[in-house]
Amino acid sequence: VQLVQSGAEVKRPGASVRVSCKASGYTFTDYYIHWVRQAPGQGPEWIGRISPKSGDTKSGQKFQGRVTLTSDTSISTVYMDLSRLNSADTAVYYCARPHVDYTSYYFDSWGHGTLVTVSS
Amino acid sequence: QSVLTQPPSASGTPGHRVTISCSGSASNIGTNTVDWYQQFPGMAPQVVIHSNNERPSGVPDRFSGSKAGTSASLAISGLQAEDEADYYCAAWDDSLSGWVFGGGTHLIVL
Repeated sequence: VQLVQSGAEVKRPGASVRVSCKASGYTFTDYYIHWVRQAPGQGPEWIGRISPKSGDTKSGQKFQGRVTLTSDTSISTVYMDLSRLNSADTAVYYCARPHVDYTSYYFDSWGHGTLVTVSS
Repeated sequence: QSVLTQPPSASGTPGHRVTISCSGSASNIGTNTVDWYQQFPGMAPQVVIHSNNERPSGVPDRFSGSKAGTSASLAISGLQAEDEADYYCAAWDDSLSGWVFGGGTHLIVL
């Protein structure tokens, strides 16, 4: 399993950013992809998840209305769009694929992370 | 502020045992299983314990986890220099309908 993310971004406050995550090594539509971010010196924060098969999405309350998750099954890639950026959005953004079985659900494959810097 | 509470740091000497705590509430740890992630600088987190006390293949049996009520713990026995890293607990939160994480514990091997 490999998740390859797009490169670092620098954005102005109020702008939007798109981060991509290209999956390989497994059947793309068989697993959700989750997005997690981590601000400098802070713990991870869950942003949301998408089902590449159905396009169904779910996002954390803090991000509702500001995040859009999409997928393109033709190229096994998911996208996270975050709008109305502010300095508090400066963080490393990760995509992650869960391990799923009858008794467990946890994130066992992660992208390398994409640094998004919001600065005027 | 993170939903799950961890001590910011912990330390131990090589060969000894250290434990890291994680405190939550009824809607997360009290109801759902807890996972623990290890993270080195500049790297993505990697799971060391899932489902409260299960070790993925490849994780040394020096790592163990437990849960009681609304709290969980990660224990590392036979501490090694390579264990120096940040550790995060995580759980699903039924009230927030999302995954929640701890603020992290930086483990120092003296």
